[in-house]
Amino acid sequence: QKEVEQDPGPLSVPEGAIVSLNCTYSNSAFQYFMWYRQYSRKGPELLMYTYSSGNKEDGRFTAQVDKSSKYISLFIRDSQPSDSATYLCAMSDRDDKIIFGKGTRLHILP
Amino acid sequence: ETGVTQTPRHLVMGMTNKKSLKCEQHLGHNAMYWYKQSAKKPLELMFVYSLEERVENNSVPSRFSPECPNSSHLFLHLHTLQPEDSALYLCASSQDLKGGSQYFGPGTRLLVL
Repeated sequence: QKEVEQDPGPLSVPEGAIVSLNCTYSNSAFQYFMWYRQYSRKGPELLMYTYSSGNKEDGRFTAQVDKSSKYISLFIRDSQPSDSATYLCAMSDRDDKIIFGKGTRLHILP
Repeated sequence: ETGVTQTPRHLVMGMTNKKSLKCEQHLGHNAMYWYKQSAKKPLELMFVYSLEERVENNSVPSRFSPECPNSSHLFLHLHTLQPEDSALYLCASSQDLKGGSQYFGPGTRLLVL
């Protein structure tokens, strides 16, 4: 089993819809959970950073971590065409390197 | 734009060429990383430096040679590459190695002919 599983998509949703992006993982030692957004021909940009379980909200973005299910989510409300990008989940434990998912390509249709 | 810059942004080289990629971070971080990003694959960690010392080398072929002269600069020296080495090479930095987030540069798009 891969350490981090992420559906590559592409995921296409109409403008204004709520987007749900997800990753599952196998290593129960992971404590730090991140979401990165990567536009075409650019490097990944840190979007959300959470520690341990719970929710974190930042504007239209909400990150959720469920450590009991080893499942993390990123929700995007009122999605915009400018949200079209690849979203990568990433996670690490205290002392180890970050493990990235493959990324989900998201298209917001005007 | 992030506080991590990379040059060049695009590079085309033949298999017999020698070239170098450069990364500079302006964030005061102590750790720097080289990643390879290929289509439909997760980011592949290549090298990790902490306070200018290499702490990890993930079985990367010797045709890739990193150099970290100080905590702000990181180089990746390339020689006798193969076409399958064509990819986006990303540099990142973080405050330290203890978990947490990394900040990426824009990457160098490398094509090996």
